[in-house]
Amino acid sequence: SYVLTQPPSVSVAPGQTARITCGGNNIGSKSVHWYQQKPGQAPVLVVYDDSDRPSGIPERFSGSNSGNTATLTISRVEAGDEADYYCQVWDSSSDPWVFGGGTKLTVL
Amino acid sequence: EVQLVESGGGLVQPGRSLRLSCAASGFTFDDYAMHWVRQAPGKGLEWVSGISWNSGSIGYADSVKGRFTISRDNAKNSLYLQMNSLRAEDTALYYCAKSVGISIEQQPFDYWGQGTLVTVSS
Repeated sequence: SYVLTQPPSVSVAPGQTARITCGGNNIGSKSVHWYQQKPGQAPVLVVYDDSDRPSGIPERFSGSNSGNTATLTISRVEAGDEADYYCQVWDSSSDPWVFGGGTKLTVL
Repeated sequence: EVQLVESGGGLVQPGRSLRLSCAASGFTFDDYAMHWVRQAPGKGLEWVSGISWNSGSIGYADSVKGRFTISRDNAKNSLYLQMNSLRAEDTALYYCAKSVGISIEQQPFDYWGQGTLVTVSS
């Protein structure tokens, strides 16, 4: 089955830019979705189809996808962005919906 | 306001069964595919199963195939997950999630419930 690889953790100072990667074989040919999950809460969709934002999600959240890496970029990071972030793709294989292992974003 | 409320979780012995339910409101239920996603304690997200708007397309993760059955009742705005032959590794918080479209393929999940906890232990 398809595998998505994320770094376990990313740390960034407030006001700086955080980049969270999601690696997969030729992931650039797939649509990548990103979810934010704060402690004790359900996941929230923050970016879909590589780079689109649902209504209500700040413009500070953006995404890109090319080659073997998709990236979630959070600009002007705030303390409230501290959370786990998961990438997700659909793959027409035995386990069609795949999540990355998650990345814990720490705001220093 | 979209609401998804899961129920039916609890403590169950290995090998036994449990049925989860998800009550949906605030949207036209039969216009959207629905999914179950689980999260073991301290772990990441794992997709479990999905069902299209009219139950015509259903999918399962390999880890639950043959043991779990997803279904929906559009008249009752409800989603279900029948879990049989439960194992310790099925212990997790089970989320109900709404798709942005009618298909279980490609389209992301835009609303999630708060989850119901399933603990499989003797």
